[in-house]
Amino acid sequence: SQKIEQNSEALNIQEGKTATLTCNYTNYSPAYLQWYRQDPGRGPVFLLLIRENEKEKRKERLKVTFDTTLKQSLFHITASQPADSATYLCALYYGNNRLAFGKGNQVVVIP
Amino acid sequence: DADVTQTPRNRITKTGKRIMLECSQTKGHDRMYWYRQDPGLGLRLIYYSFDVKDINKGEISDGYSVSRQAQAKFSLSLESAIPNQTALYFCATSDGGMNTEAFFGQGTRLTVV
Repeated sequence: SQKIEQNSEALNIQEGKTATLTCNYTNYSPAYLQWYRQDPGRGPVFLLLIRENEKEKRKERLKVTFDTTLKQSLFHITASQPADSATYLCALYYGNNRLAFGKGNQVVVIP
Repeated sequence: DADVTQTPRNRITKTGKRIMLECSQTKGHDRMYWYRQDPGLGLRLIYYSFDVKDINKGEISDGYSVSRQAQAKFSLSLESAIPNQTALYFCATSDGGMNTEAFFGQGTRLTVV
């Protein structure tokens, strides 16, 4: 089955710095990879999608890269703010169009 | 109104009871999903449906059943609840295709005692 790995340790970062999260996947070669934000007790909210032929995608202070050779995506939050504190999930479709998620990586932005 | 609505939001039930979690969506999407989320385990797919007549098992379907009553409604049932089914349950929809985002409901926190 598809395996999606994200760092289980929370990332504590000072306000204004760049937070970088990693998503690694195995056993499949997705054409698209997605990132979601989840706040405690709430459903995930879509942030960005990147295609396999796109090296980088940006949305405001967010940047995502996709390296299909390494089977890895990096998610960056630049000029981080306390409001960015949340858990960030990477996701991809595999097999019979199943949408699978990584376990998520918590970000804590310290004022 | 939310695009994806789950009811109930919270539920405590006893071991052995049958319980149904309901999900309705106003997005007009064909695809609907049920996930459970446990601390440290992330979101795991229980069942998914591509239309009313197409229902598929996910990674962890044992102990669960689903019903797609209409394009907009997808219910998850626990036939005989057990304590390890205590979790946060999410319903999601998408428009189909691997380049489409999923929209999630607010979640149902289920406790089986």
